[in-house]
Amino acid sequence: DIVMTQTPLSSPVTLGQPASISCRSGQSLVHSDGNTYLSWLQQRPGQPPRLLIYKISNRFSGVPDRFSGSGAGTDFTLKIGRVEAEDVGVYYCMQGTQFPWTFGQGTKVEIK
Amino acid sequence: EVQLVESGGGLVQPGGSLRLSCAASGFTFSTYSMTWVRQAPGKGLEWVANIKPDGSEKYYVDSVKGRFTISRDNAKNSLYLQLNSLRAEDTAVYYCARVSSSTSSYPYWGQGTLVTVSS
Repeated sequence: DIVMTQTPLSSPVTLGQPASISCRSGQSLVHSDGNTYLSWLQQRPGQPPRLLIYKISNRFSGVPDRFSGSGAGTDFTLKIGRVEAEDVGVYYCMQGTQFPWTFGQGTKVEIK
Repeated sequence: EVQLVESGGGLVQPGGSLRLSCAASGFTFSTYSMTWVRQAPGKGLEWVANIKPDGSEKYYVDSVKGRFTISRDNAKNSLYLQLNSLRAEDTAVYYCARVSSSTSSYPYWGQGTLVTVSS
């Protein structure tokens, strides 16, 4: 199974300031079809996960443009342009390149 | 609007059984693979099982093989997870989610149902 490692595990941020989360995979996430299936999910307190980003950098429907994804191969980043109060929660990266799809351990974003 | 509503969770003793259900609406259920993902209290997300649109192929995480069974009834737009021989470590919120094969992601999730295994 592909191991997904996120850093940091906790990220205290100031409202209005940017935040960044890194995700590293144990092997390349480039699929034989040429795509890289790396997603980011947000889980607000007491809520189910919500898809934010798919295939590295594509925002899902309804996701604000302050969320952006980047990266390639084994190293990926989720950036929040200016953190708002509603962004508090845990963020997970997930790979869908090789079955079974696996998640990172999660990064908790909280307000300072 | 896509909706997924889980039910069937509860408190069960070790070694017991439960059947979880997920009622789907707002999309053509029979054309999508579906999955169960669980989250132990205070922990991260763990994929549990997948099922193809016609139910012909099923996949499980090693820790539940031989104990859990995923199934679906496309006529009823419903997904199921039969949990047998339950252990304390199966305690978790169980989410059903729709699979996007084109993006290899989970774009839609239910609210989850809590399974507690305890004596």
